[in-house]
Amino acid sequence: QVQLQESGPGLVKPSQTLSLTCTVSGGSISSGSYYWSWIRQPAGKGLEWIGRIYTSGSTNYNPSLKSRVTISVDTSKNQFSLKLSSVTAADTAVYYCARVSTAGADVWGQGTTVTVSS
Amino acid sequence: DIVMTQTPLSSPVTLGQPASISCRSSQSLVHSDGNTYLSWLQQRPGQPPRLLIYKISNRFSGVPDRFSGSGAGTDFTLKISRVEAEDVGVYYCMQATQLPWTFGQGTKVEIK
Repeated sequence: QVQLQESGPGLVKPSQTLSLTCTVSGGSISSGSYYWSWIRQPAGKGLEWIGRIYTSGSTNYNPSLKSRVTISVDTSKNQFSLKLSSVTAADTAVYYCARVSTAGADVWGQGTTVTVSS
Repeated sequence: DIVMTQTPLSSPVTLGQPASISCRSSQSLVHSDGNTYLSWLQQRPGQPPRLLIYKISNRFSGVPDRFSGSGAGTDFTLKISRVEAEDVGVYYCMQATQLPWTFGQGTKVEIK
């Protein structure tokens, strides 16, 4: 059974780069036809899709964040990562990684809270 | 971007009674491959979202059969036939037909 776990700093200073990693266990990140995705949720608010990386390595980003986002994959470590540059308080949120296929977003990490503050 | 609009935003329900949530998209969610990538997620308090329904009406593995999805084009519905205490939470519709993927605002289901 595939499981996802986010990791990274819980506190990031304004204007710096937020970096998170999602570790995939119970299966290979390279197998199957999946979009490995990042989604965030500000406290008390709804869900926002950040972007995705396909099994092949191709990426797509939300245009609202595109200039600041990079998603990459490290197949040797069975991980994929998120970098969000020039963060502000508006980027404070719970960040989730998720596996998405034609059958929907079927596996989610527990989420990690990132606060942007000096 | 495709805007997903859910109604109601809050749904107080008596235990054992049905609940229904509507989700309307600003554009048709029929993909060029013929599929409609509309799913429903449940988020219990303090938990990550959990997939309930995918491609309008397909119940995900382990999801109780009191949950059902229906609809087509731009109008979709999630129904809970008999609400149980464990169903309390926020429900989101999500479209993955067109980038960027987008979500509804969420509907909070609570017990009266």
